[in-house]
Amino acid sequence: GESVGLHLPTLSVQEGDNSIINCAYSNSASDYFIWYKQESGKGPQFIIDIRSNMDKRQGQRVTVLLNKTVKHLSLQIAATQPGDSAVYFCAEKEDYKYIFGTGTRLKVLA
Amino acid sequence: DTAVSQTPKYLVTQMGNDKSIKCEQNLGHDTMYWYKQDSKKFLKIMFSYNNKELIINETVPNRFSPKSPDKAHLNLHINSLELGDSAVYFCASSQVAGGEGYTFGSGTRLTVV
Repeated sequence: GESVGLHLPTLSVQEGDNSIINCAYSNSASDYFIWYKQESGKGPQFIIDIRSNMDKRQGQRVTVLLNKTVKHLSLQIAATQPGDSAVYFCAEKEDYKYIFGTGTRLKVLA
Repeated sequence: DTAVSQTPKYLVTQMGNDKSIKCEQNLGHDTMYWYKQDSKKFLKIMFSYNNKELIINETVPNRFSPKSPDKAHLNLHINSLELGDSAVYFCASSQVAGGEGYTFGSGTRLTVV
């Protein structure tokens, strides 16, 4: 299935706090997932990925958690900075393409 | 050196016109894609070419015709533009079809008036 375009949810976080962005995916057979960051006026940029044989993967200040039971992904950003302000998308791999989630706008408050 | 470059960055045109958007990648990737992003930021795949061969065509009106003269280029031609075609169009590439992670261009904002 495909995500339906809904009102873009917004998460407002104080600078220095941790952010958690959630995503529900649709295909239980998907075996690979990516989080992308899209800044204003730019294309999406790869942040971190995870395979379905893992439930957690850590990068620099970012952690992705995968719960296959409920088809849920989350992106945790530690010590959120102003430069983290963007729209974040999860994407699930399906055959030769990626299906993108609705997106979440992260606003970092000074 | 821009990895995936699209031209033009902005395009404003009248309903009924025909327009083209061009995309080039210098990453040596085999596969290129076109995505459409609507006003709610929803990204939806339109087409994909692997080594000049069409591999994905996602229920897009036949007014949209992609063309890939070589694996480094994927252009999008749109006939008889409609108001609903207004969106940001992103080109992307990957090493192989469905490869791990795309590299996206910076987008072409199309406004149909």
